[in-house]
Amino acid sequence: GAGVSQTPSNKVTEKGKYVELRCDPISGHTALYWYRQSLGQGPEFLIYFQGTGAADDSGLPNDRFFAVRPEGSVSTLKIQRTERGDSAVYLCASSPNPTLLGDTQYFGPGTRLTVL
Amino acid sequence: SQQGEEDPQALSIQEGENATMNCSYKTSINNLQWYRQNSGRGLVHLILIRSNEREKHSGRLRVTLDTSKKSSSLLITASRAADTASYFCVNSGGSNYKLTFGKGTLLTVNP
Repeated sequence: GAGVSQTPSNKVTEKGKYVELRCDPISGHTALYWYRQSLGQGPEFLIYFQGTGAADDSGLPNDRFFAVRPEGSVSTLKIQRTERGDSAVYLCASSPNPTLLGDTQYFGPGTRLTVL
Repeated sequence: SQQGEEDPQALSIQEGENATMNCSYKTSINNLQWYRQNSGRGLVHLILIRSNEREKHSGRLRVTLDTSKKSSSLLITASRAADTASYFCVNSGGSNYKLTFGKGTLLTVNP
């Protein structure tokens, strides 16, 4: 079946611009996660959605970052006034039921964001 | 911190050899997961071992867990060039959803 998909695969933007990154989770998965991965590092948690609501946004680095999931499926990560330090691969993951111990997260291929 | 620390940071072996990667963590666990990341297939869940388990197998993978030492190991037997990837251990700790990754072990399997 279809896995998690993310668009675009690559995004190059200029400093100060606004960007939107999209994630299509696996159908039926109630939980959705965003992570950010810098070069040479492991992924870093940003935000977790359970259904339509952000259950934990403690990983968002500052108020320039915002994410939505209005219908409990597709999610969009929005970054305002981008900075060069925002350059990274942004990963999305989904899982069926995170209340179960050991619920596996299924990751998308990521969006590579480059801020010039 | 729930972050696991993988050791070694990099490992290079020949095809057919076994590869062992270690993970240490500081907090209690609910379960410990291993993920693999390569350019071809992205980040993929490999295996999960629960806190009440000591060893688990999946194909060519063997994972051990020692809760008293707060450590885990991942053994890949009869390695293949396609096993070349970064491997991460993830300790879920008290969270069922927030995965905290370390820097990983970069495994290179030479043909």
